[in-house]
Amino acid sequence: KAGVTQTPRYLIKTRGQQVTLSCSPISGHRSVSWYQQTPGQGLQFLFEYFSETQRNKGNFPGRFSGRQFSNSRSEMNVSTLELGDSALYLCASSSHELTSGGADTQYFGPGTRLTVL
Amino acid sequence: TQLLEQSPQFLSIQEGENLTVYCNSSSVFSSLQWYRQEPGEGPVLLVTVVTGGEVKKLKRLTFQFGDARKDSSLHITAAQPGDTGLYLCAGFDTGGFKTIFGAGTRLFVKA
Repeated sequence: KAGVTQTPRYLIKTRGQQVTLSCSPISGHRSVSWYQQTPGQGLQFLFEYFSETQRNKGNFPGRFSGRQFSNSRSEMNVSTLELGDSALYLCASSSHELTSGGADTQYFGPGTRLTVL
Repeated sequence: TQLLEQSPQFLSIQEGENLTVYCNSSSVFSSLQWYRQEPGEGPVLLVTVVTGGEVKKLKRLTFQFGDARKDSSLHITAAQPGDTGLYLCAGFDTGGFKTIFGAGTRLFVKA
């Protein structure tokens, strides 16, 4: 079974531009979560999509948005890029919506490294 | 908001040594997970602990969940260079309905 794939792997943008990142979950998985990883803040939750609906959102400004398609593929968009948006963006897929138990296994992709100049 | 604190932040040891990494919180978690992340890759789940006092072993790695379910530890016996990586603990924040991660312990095992 193929793992989680993310494209592109590397991206360089300038301040003020916008960017779209893509994530293809493991076949059959309907939950996709996005995380931002930086050396200073670690891994931080952005949002989760399940069956094309955003289920939860982390504490990020409205410049960060996402969507999920009927085939469970997900995209994340960041508008008006700032220097501080430079990070590794990870997506993770799961077969079930993350429950209050939190014991569901999340499978992470390799990430997209975004550099904002 | 629930927080997870990991210690130490960085660990550099010789091959063959033992080590323990800690994950602590003031909040109770229904379960905690440990991940390892290697450079250029996403985190990979190592184990999920769900019962207070639970001990799980994965070859040379031993994971323990505290009795009060507020802390966890990862012990590596006879570390090898292949154990090098970033070790992350994670738990589900029931208030925010999201997975939260500790800042991680970066382990370097020298041959």
